[in-house]
Amino acid sequence: KNQVEQSPQSLIILEGKNCTLQCNYTVSPFSNLRWYKQDTGRGPVSLTIMTFSENTKSNGRYTATLDADTKQSSLHITASQLSDSASYICVVSANDMRFGAGTRLTVKP
Amino acid sequence: NAGVTQTPKFRILKIGQSMTLQCTQDMNHNYMYWYRQDPGMGLKLIYYSVGAGITDKGEVPNGYNVSRSTTEDFPLRLELAAPSQTSVYFCASSTTGIPFYNEQFFGPGTRLTVL
Repeated sequence: KNQVEQSPQSLIILEGKNCTLQCNYTVSPFSNLRWYKQDTGRGPVSLTIMTFSENTKSNGRYTATLDADTKQSSLHITASQLSDSASYICVVSANDMRFGAGTRLTVKP
Repeated sequence: NAGVTQTPKFRILKIGQSMTLQCTQDMNHNYMYWYRQDPGMGLKLIYYSVGAGITDKGEVPNGYNVSRSTTEDFPLRLELAAPSQTSVYFCASSTTGIPFYNEQFFGPGTRLTVL
């Protein structure tokens, strides 16, 4: 069983709408949690990083939250754009890095 | 800076053939990593290196070999290709510090098909 579970697997939204992606993890001990964006045919690119003591981190229209007690994180995308169409991967670092399978987001005009 | 570059972009192998996936980074990063990404699955670590001459196994090392003779290069070798090695391979690098803690910078990937 993967130690990092993401939901939903895929999501389609209209341009301009908001969305929230979820990440639940069981990785322990915990160093940090990152959200990566992976465009089709490209390697992942880091969006945000949060350590154990951080609850919220923003990067432009992307806002990540972390609840270390419940081992849950979310990535909220505001006012989506066509260029947000990509896979979003939750990655938890401990003694190694554990990758979620990703959420495939499609933004339609 | 070109960042992390990988060659080739695509490759089709026959069962039993061998090949080397090339990875180069120009950011002077000490740490380098190889991952594979299968459809619907998270990236899995194959091998990693904390510096020239030092390599270690990751989660799925069987069927692969690596070497690290320079800071810049970290090639991945497949000796006897099997259909189970059909995947997209990503190389990544990160700055010195705690391995797996700092941001990893990824290459564009190599899509490998074994028939």
